Amino acid sequence: GEDVEQSLFLSVREGDSSVINCTYTDSSSTYLYWYKQEPGAGLQLLTYIFSNMDMKQDQRLTVLLNKKDKHLSLRIADTQTGDSAIYFCAESPWGGRRALTFGSGTRLQVQP
Amino acid sequence: GAGVSQSPSNKVTEKGKDVELRCDPISGHTALYWYRQSLGQGLEFLIYFQGNSAPDKSGLPSDRFSAERTGGSVSTLTIQRTQQEDSAVYLCASSLGGRGNEQYFGPGTRLTVT
Repeated sequence: GEDVEQSLFLSVREGDSSVINCTYTDSSSTYLYWYKQEPGAGLQLLTYIFSNMDMKQDQRLTVLLNKKDKHLSLRIADTQTGDSAIYFCAESPWGGRRALTFGSGTRLQVQP
Repeated sequence: GAGVSQSPSNKVTEKGKDVELRCDPISGHTALYWYRQSLGQGLEFLIYFQGNSAPDKSGLPSDRFSAERTGGSVSTLTIQRTQQEDSAVYLCASSLGGRGNEQYFGPGTRLTVT
């Protein structure tokens, strides 16, 4: 079955780049997502990538995918205090089960 | 446009009571999902609707949990005879149902069973 793993915590200084990592196990073609959750709020979809892509960039966000190692990363450039939140990696097999399988989330703390 | 809305935002109930949680998806979204978020279990899938049908109910934890969707829009998640382990944040998401399957989440309902 699907499994998604993330490190639990990352601390960076304001203005630095943040890199949040995720590994997944599903070997079928899949979509991979990054969500952001601020305290007391729902999940905000940040970006997603299909597993036949290597990279996707959207403003300050860059997603890198290493298909061989099933490793996904989210890079946030020029990290701001407003980026402090929990970031979830999720995957959904294309053409298969529609539900998202989430990682446990990475808490990003941005220090001024 | 309007996002996914859920009501109530908070619900406190006594053990053994029934509760109903409501989700209003984004207009035009044919797919609707319920998830549960708790400290011990993280984010868990509960049920998926395509239109008014539920092709995947595999995440419902017991027969005390049920859900329906009417008119291809509003969905209600019902928990009967609530137990303390049902305490969690219940999240609803909707999507257009296309290949990308981008799911947009509501703010959630925080359920506390005392």
